[in-house]
Amino acid sequence: AQSVTQLGSHVSVSEGALVLLRCNYSSSVPPYLFWYVQYPNQGLQLLLKYTSAATLVKGINGFEAEFKKSETSFHLTKPSAHVSDAAEYFCAVTPGTNAGKSTFGDGTTLTVKP
Amino acid sequence: EPEVTQTPSHQVTQMGQEVILRCVPISNHLYFYWYRQILGQKVEFLVSFYNNEISEKSEIFDDQFSVERPDGSNFTLKIRSTKLEDSAMYFCASSEGQPSYEQYFGPGTRLTVT
Repeated sequence: AQSVTQLGSHVSVSEGALVLLRCNYSSSVPPYLFWYVQYPNQGLQLLLKYTSAATLVKGINGFEAEFKKSETSFHLTKPSAHVSDAAEYFCAVTPGTNAGKSTFGDGTTLTVKP
Repeated sequence: EPEVTQTPSHQVTQMGQEVILRCVPISNHLYFYWYRQILGQKVEFLVSFYNNEISEKSEIFDDQFSVERPDGSNFTLKIRSTKLEDSAMYFCASSEGQPSYEQYFGPGTRLTVT
C-alpha cells in the first residue's frame, strides 16, 4: 500500500523567492518518487524523479528535490521563483520493486506574484 | 528517447456513445496502465494490464470500461456508453518491469462528453 500527502493545496510566493512544495509519502516497498507540473488544460510534464540512485535529484527549470527516507519526504524546491512557474504540481509514488499502480497527491497550486 | 503516445489528443462525444482511446506504449514495455484526471482533481488509477489480462483495477473501472491490447503495439481503453461524468483527461502509462518499474506517461487524451 502507498499514499502521498501534499501539504498545502495553494502556495503563493513572490518572484525571486524560494519555492518549497511539500510531499510526504508512505510505501510498503522501496518507492520511486516523482514530481510533475501541469499547466492549465495540458498533460503532465515530468519535473524530476527519484529511482533509488542519488537522493538529491535535479530536474528541469531549476527545480530539485531531496529524498529523505527517515522523514518519508520528497519536497520540491527552487531557489528563485519565476512567474512562468505558476502551475499545478503533483507528487507521485510508484512501487520500485513491482509493477503496482502509481499514486498521486492532491496537487499544489503555485502562484507567483510579480 | 522513446515515448508513450496517445490518440486522439481531444475527443468530443455525446452521452451514451462508445469511445475508444488509443495508446502506443514504449515498445519493450510489458506493463500498461490507464489513469484518469477529472478537471481540477488529482490523477486516479483506473487499471493495470500485463500478459494480456487485467492485473489490478480500481472501483472506477466498472463494467462500462474495458481494455485491450489488440496487436503488438496498441493498448486501448473503451468506454461503452459514456456519461457526462466520464469527461476527464485520460493518461496511458507503461513500464518495462524488471529491472525498472518506472512508469512513463503519455500526453493524455481529453475526453469531453456532452
